[in-house]
Amino acid sequence: DAGVTQSPTHLIKTRGQHVTLRCSPISGHKSVSWYQQVLGQGPQFIFQYYEKEERGRGNFPDRFSARQFPNYSSELNVNALLLGDSALYLCASSLLTGGYTFGSGTRLTVV
Amino acid sequence: DQQVKQNSPSLSVQEGRISILNCDYTNSMFDYFLWYKKYPAEGPTFLISISSIKDKNEDGRFTVFLNKSAKHLSLHIVPSQPGDSAVYFCAVTNAGGTSYGKLTFGQGTILTVHP
Repeated sequence: DAGVTQSPTHLIKTRGQHVTLRCSPISGHKSVSWYQQVLGQGPQFIFQYYEKEERGRGNFPDRFSARQFPNYSSELNVNALLLGDSALYLCASSLLTGGYTFGSGTRLTVV
Repeated sequence: DQQVKQNSPSLSVQEGRISILNCDYTNSMFDYFLWYKKYPAEGPTFLISISSIKDKNEDGRFTVFLNKSAKHLSLHIVPSQPGDSAVYFCAVTNAGGTSYGKLTFGQGTILTVHP
């Protein structure tokens, strides 16, 4: 049984560019959450989607956006990349609350 | 403001001994508490959780204790094994409210278990 899958695993982008990160939840999980983890800190909540609707948003600028598709997979988009956006981006899926399972993440480096 | 704090950046323990990791939170609205373990280049792996209606939950070598009045939780690992060496994060949420999957994490504690 596949866990949470994220793609790509690594990515290098230039300042000002746009990036799209993808996440496929565990089969049967309708909730997807996105987190940003910078070195030395715990993951920080960016978004949560449930049944294709945004149910929560963390303290991130409007350059960050996301969506969830009918098959419950999700995309995280970041526009006008800054050096400070370099981080590990984690996706977690769950039924609604509790039992959050994380993917291995996408390592984004902005140069 | 940091709502969840893990005040020990690192902990070193001998194999076979007990590891105790601590976590403090500020908001009494949090009612569900989790511990995750993270290896480099991997996502966090769920270890154990506890709801606010309990003060202890045990799963094999792992036990989580919750002190609601002190807003403090701890993870005990007994006996510690070298494979337990990883970064440990506590996370909190308001499962009964509208936080909808928003976990608030501490900064993490690096546990090293020496053979």
